[in-house]
Amino acid sequence: DTEVTQTPKHLVMGMTNKKSLKCEQHMGHRAMYWYKQKAKKPPELMFVYSYEKLSINESVPSRFSPECPNSSLLNLHLHALQPEDSALYLCASSQGLVGEQFFGPGTRLTVL
Amino acid sequence: KQEVTQIPAALSVPEGENLVLNCSFTDSAIYNLQWFRQDPGKGLTSLLLIQSSQREQTSGRLNASLDKSSGRSTLYIAASQPGDSATYLCAVKLGGGSNYKLTFGKGTLLTVNP
Repeated sequence: DTEVTQTPKHLVMGMTNKKSLKCEQHMGHRAMYWYKQKAKKPPELMFVYSYEKLSINESVPSRFSPECPNSSLLNLHLHALQPEDSALYLCASSQGLVGEQFFGPGTRLTVL
Repeated sequence: KQEVTQIPAALSVPEGENLVLNCSFTDSAIYNLQWFRQDPGKGLTSLLLIQSSQREQTSGRLNASLDKSSGRSTLYIAASQPGDSATYLCAVKLGGGSNYKLTFGKGTLLTVNP
């Protein structure tokens, strides 16, 4: 099973809302990633967790707050977002930092 | 800084044609290279992973090659089908000091016409 699942598939939120994106994998992978992808652009790395510890934060604004409650779950908490944060948010996982990355289907986020 | 370039940006071919997508990268000290496929509005599907010590990998109608010294990779698709229509992304992973981050090219948009 090489599946990464993400919920919700679509999310519309106002600039004052608080919401969370969820990602789950059951492949035993110990590295998990959040990416942001704008239309017709490649994915941009936001955060990397390795063994449930934050390994990389690509200078992402604090209105995005990642959390890794256990080795299978990755959350992205959203607060006070801006319209320019509207994008496809992708989660990925890999066996370790050097392994093949597997992506989820993404959450399409619209900020009004 | 690693830069990844994919040529062409878009490609349109008739069904049944064999085709090659190109990827070049500026820093040859890569750990591995991964080819992905992305359908509109969807996530990325991993197609092939080539380790830096390997020259090629094959999966079904797909064959990817790697020439690390010249900073090039190609993805060969045999007997193309309309279902192959998608954006194909190449991504390289540098080692150690870069924390093994993936650097993506901008992709090649492939259209296979019936």
